[in-house]
Amino acid sequence: DAKTTQPNSMESNEEEPVHLPCNHSTISGTDYIHWYRQLPSQGPEYVIHGLTSNVNNRMASLAIAEDRKSSTLILHRATLRDAAVYYCILPAWGPNAGGTSYGKLTFGQGTILTVHP
Amino acid sequence: EAGVAQSPRYKIIEKRQSVAFWCNPISGHATLYWYQQILGQGPKLLIQFQNNGVVDDSQLPKDRFSAERLKGVDSTLKIQPAKLEDSAVYLCASRGTGQPQHFGDGTRLSIL
Repeated sequence: DAKTTQPNSMESNEEEPVHLPCNHSTISGTDYIHWYRQLPSQGPEYVIHGLTSNVNNRMASLAIAEDRKSSTLILHRATLRDAAVYYCILPAWGPNAGGTSYGKLTFGQGTILTVHP
Repeated sequence: EAGVAQSPRYKIIEKRQSVAFWCNPISGHATLYWYQQILGQGPKLLIQFQNNGVVDDSQLPKDRFSAERLKGVDSTLKIQPAKLEDSAVYLCASRGTGQPQHFGDGTRLSIL
């Protein structure tokens, strides 16, 4: 499985943008980039995913480098509720992945995001 | 839409005892997962079901852990006998076709 590297922790102030980086230098041409986050005492929550183009949804934006060896999750205005562990994952594929972009998830340590009021 | 339901929320047992966790996935989700999350680490996949069949249990410690998904809906995960190193949060997730995984809030297991 392709590996990802994320900083252990980052800090931000409330209402400021946050850029969470992820390196995935061994990514293959068919690997999707997924982001999940885990708030305290909750299960992980899907945030966003993409393949080549930048993606936006109501939660965040995903900026993917042209060579796809890195990506950045962007929270446009951090709130205290965004304090969580953020995981960058390249889902692994297999016969049971369902033929979609949603494969097997292997979670690393993630980035602990602290948001200051 | 109702989320993934798990129970109990917390469980405390002594080592060598048995314990079972229950998961009710989102209605219509054919794929169901059990994860183990040890404090300070990311979740680790234990087993994946597609309907009521096991498709990946490569990381399930089969000498003590078992799981079933009767009728392709609810699932139970059992540990027998429990060891101290099994202290963790056990997460259940489900996924519909073409959708990301949805996680429950887990069962926190403490072994004394």
